[in-house]
Amino acid sequence: AQSVSQHNHHVILSEAASLELGCNYSYGGTVNLFWYVQYPGQHLQLLLKYFSGDPLVKGIKGFEAEFIKSKFSFNLRKPSVQWSDTAEYFCAVTYTGGFKTIFGAGTRLFVKA
Amino acid sequence: DGGITQSPKYLFRKEGQNVTLSCEQNLNHDAMYWYRQDPGQGLRLIYYSQIVNDFQKGDIAEGYSVSREKKESFPLTVTSAQKNPTAFYLCASSTDRPGMNTEAFFGQGTRLTVV
Repeated sequence: AQSVSQHNHHVILSEAASLELGCNYSYGGTVNLFWYVQYPGQHLQLLLKYFSGDPLVKGIKGFEAEFIKSKFSFNLRKPSVQWSDTAEYFCAVTYTGGFKTIFGAGTRLFVKA
Repeated sequence: DGGITQSPKYLFRKEGQNVTLSCEQNLNHDAMYWYRQDPGQGLRLIYYSQIVNDFQKGDIAEGYSVSREKKESFPLTVTSAQKNPTAFYLCASSTDRPGMNTEAFFGQGTRLTVV
């Protein structure tokens, strides 16, 4: 079955620390990949997306993600986190030929001021 | 402004009652979805619909029903058969046209509590 795995359920960092959240998806052909973020009390919003082209994708608020096809991975990174990055982050995939978006279980990030 | 509207924001239901959650979008998207969000389990797909008058079960459809009579609307009914209905419910929509951006747009959610 098609699935998405996020490696960490909870991450705690201090401000200015670097962040990397892991995401792997199951093989299913060509994919579209997404990271969504849900800030406390707010609705889900798109952080960044990959459709084709440069496998290093830059999103909002200094986030980036790298698509590594051979590893079926799409890890999210940020060089220096801020307290305001405290949120839950979801990796998601859509397989070409299908259209439903499959989500990972989410990673709760808490950044200490 | 274009977007997805879910109502109500909070909903309380007595055990044994059916309740319907509303979802409306004005993004002209063909595809609509219902997800359930529980702590530590991410978003699990309940039902999805690719076109009007057609819908498919997702991973956790038991105890739920949907309809898609209009492109803009995709209401979800939580029936008394759903054994653990207390959760946060998210509606989403996207285009499903090949080669186009399949990014999903989300509503603000409905928090359902069974009392």
